[in-house]
Amino acid sequence: QSVLTQPPSVSGAPGQRVTISCTGSSSNIGASYDVHWYQQLPGMAPKLLIYGNSNRPSGVPDRFSGSKSGTSTSLAITGLQAEDEADYYCQSYDSSLSGSVFGGGTKVTVL
Amino acid sequence: EVQLVESGGGLVIPGGSLRLSCVASEFTFNYAWVSWVRQAPGKGLEWVGRIKSKADGETTDYAAPVNGRFTISRDDSKNTLYLQMNSLKTEDTGVYYCTTVREGTTDAFDIWGQGTTVTVSS
Repeated sequence: QSVLTQPPSVSGAPGQRVTISCTGSSSNIGASYDVHWYQQLPGMAPKLLIYGNSNRPSGVPDRFSGSKSGTSTSLAITGLQAEDEADYYCQSYDSSLSGSVFGGGTKVTVL
Repeated sequence: EVQLVESGGGLVIPGGSLRLSCVASEFTFNYAWVSWVRQAPGKGLEWVGRIKSKADGETTDYAAPVNGRFTISRDDSKNTLYLQMNSLKTEDTGVYYCTTVREGTTDAFDIWGQGTTVTVSS
C-alpha cells in the first residue's frame, strides 16, 4: 500500500489527452511539499519528467504538464504518442515518515 | 556525459551483507545530495535513503524498512557513493538505483544510474 495513491492504469488513443492523478494526505502533498513525476520505460531507469509540481526539465516535451490542488496532483499528457507508453510515478516528501515517498505507479497504454 | 554507474549487486543469502557502489562522472559530485532508490521485481519505486553533501553536514536519512540495517556513505575524493547492506532479507531483492537530487530542490531525483540487481535468496 503506497503512501501516494495513483490509478494502476490509464489508456488513450494516439493524439488524445490522458491524466494521471496522485493523491496524498496532510503529511505530504497536503503539507505543501513539492510533487515530482517520473517516466520509466520498460527495462530502463526512471527519468525525471516534472519537478516542483509543474516544472519541466530541459528536453522534456511540453506535452507533459503537472498541476497541484490541495492534497492531489495530476500529470497530463496531451497529444499522446506511442513512445509515451510507460510507467509513471509521482513522488513527494512525507513528514510523518521523514523521507521521500512514491506512488504505486500508473501504466499508460497507447491504444 | 554526466552519468552514474552502480556496481556490487549479486546473489546473497538471507542474513548476509553486500556493499553497492555508485561512481559519478562529469559533474560536481561533492556538492550533490544523493539517494538510493530500489525496485522489487515487477513492483514500483521505493526510496531507500539519502546522504547530503559534506557542506550540508553529510547527514543521512533512511526509509523505515532499512533503517538500522543499511548505511549510506560517500567518498567525494573518488566521486563515489556507497550503500552497505547488512542483515539482508528476501524482501530486499530488487534493482538498486543511485540518483542525485536536482539542484534547487530537496528531493527531485535528476540523474539516475542504470541500476544494479540484488538477489537475496537461499
